[in-house]
Amino acid sequence: QKEVEQNSGPLSVPEGAIASLNCTYSDRGSQSFFWYRQYSGKSPELIMSIYSNGDKEDGRFTAQLNKASQYVSLLIRDSQPSDSATYLCAVLIQGAQKLVFGQGTRLTINP
Amino acid sequence: DVKVTQSSRYLVKRTGEKVFLECVQDMDHENMFWYRQDPGLGLRLIYFSYDVKMKEKGDIPEGYSVSREKKERFSLILESASTNQTSMYLCASTGTSGSIGTIYEQYFGPGTRLTVT
Repeated sequence: QKEVEQNSGPLSVPEGAIASLNCTYSDRGSQSFFWYRQYSGKSPELIMSIYSNGDKEDGRFTAQLNKASQYVSLLIRDSQPSDSATYLCAVLIQGAQKLVFGQGTRLTINP
Repeated sequence: DVKVTQSSRYLVKRTGEKVFLECVQDMDHENMFWYRQDPGLGLRLIYFSYDVKMKEKGDIPEGYSVSREKKERFSLILESASTNQTSMYLCASTGTSGSIGTIYEQYFGPGTRLTVT
């Protein structure tokens, strides 16, 4: 089992709708979780971090964490074509000093 | 704002050449990382460093070495470049905080697209 798993997509969402991106992880002791956005040919950009169970909102983005289910998600409200990118989930494995990244989900927002 | 810079955006080298990729961060971060990213393979960690003159192997260290002589600078060295090292190379840094040294947000540089011919 991979340490961090994401559906590779592509995920296609109409403009203005909610895009939902999901990530599961295997290390039950993980405490820190991150979402990155990566446009084609560019480097990953940190958009959200979450450390506690529940929801964390930042503008149109909401990260949700459920440690019991080992599940973290990212919701993008009022999706825009500029949100089209690959979204990477990253987890800090307990006791480690490095992040483990998922393979990424490619999101396309259709006008 | 955290700023991580890399010496080149694009680089073309010949097989067998020694290649240096430089990374500098301006946030006094303890930890620095080198990744490569290839289509279908995701981000793969090559080396990382959690202090000056310290280094740890990542998942794919073969064919690479690193140097960290100053806190703000982390260099990746391809001792003898090969065509299978053609890739996007990404540098990143994070700070640590708290008594347990938990790493928080990791920030990436713009990347260097290296082509070895």
